[in-house]
Amino acid sequence: EVHLVQSGAEVKKPGATVKISCKISGYTFTDYYIHWVQQAPGKGLEWMGLVDPEDDETIYAEKFQGRVTITADTSTDTAYMELSSLRSEDTAVYYCTTGARTNWPHWGQGTLVTVSS
Amino acid sequence: QSALTQPASVSGSPGQSITISCTGTSNDVGSYNLVSWYQQLPGKAPKLIIYDVSKRPSGVSNRFSGSKSGNTASLTISGLQAEDDADYYCCSYARGSTWVFGGGSKLTVL
Repeated sequence: EVHLVQSGAEVKKPGATVKISCKISGYTFTDYYIHWVQQAPGKGLEWMGLVDPEDDETIYAEKFQGRVTITADTSTDTAYMELSSLRSEDTAVYYCTTGARTNWPHWGQGTLVTVSS
Repeated sequence: QSALTQPASVSGSPGQSITISCTGTSNDVGSYNLVSWYQQLPGKAPKLIIYDVSKRPSGVSNRFSGSKSGNTASLTISGLQAEDDADYYCCSYARGSTWVFGGGSKLTVL
């Protein structure tokens, strides 16, 4: 059975950087891309980007380009999402998700990041 | 990368059928048969219910079906049940190897 377990909630000040982890088990880590999705309070889902754990190739959404870094550590089967220059609008739940190339049946439990001075 | 357009809310009575539309452009929905739909209950992670426009993952009720015409994809839920009360999001592959979600639709089962 596939499991994605994310790190715990974070509180950060504006301008800081947050790094969230996503530990994956139940399949070969390099088989599937890992995506990250943002959901602000009361808002919809927003795709942030992906990493291919096989070759570390990344693709980012235009909105987050320059502020987001997604990585994958094949030694621990863990993906990471780092978001810098945090502002209040980045307060959100962040999900990691994975599956086949065109659809994502497996999701982490979500990590709440609160940006507040 | 603009969000796909979905109605903010839809509603129906138990037993009825409803359809949620998802309108994109020739840069996403219109060019690829790679539209998926997710159901999200309050406080929970999204759940995949349709992928590749019309395919259902194992375990998903056959009351859920998907289709696409031009730049618009649709999710139909037949035989509405109280447990279908949730938020629904479409998602499409887009040019530049990116992905884009719809704004989400709140389904209320009356």
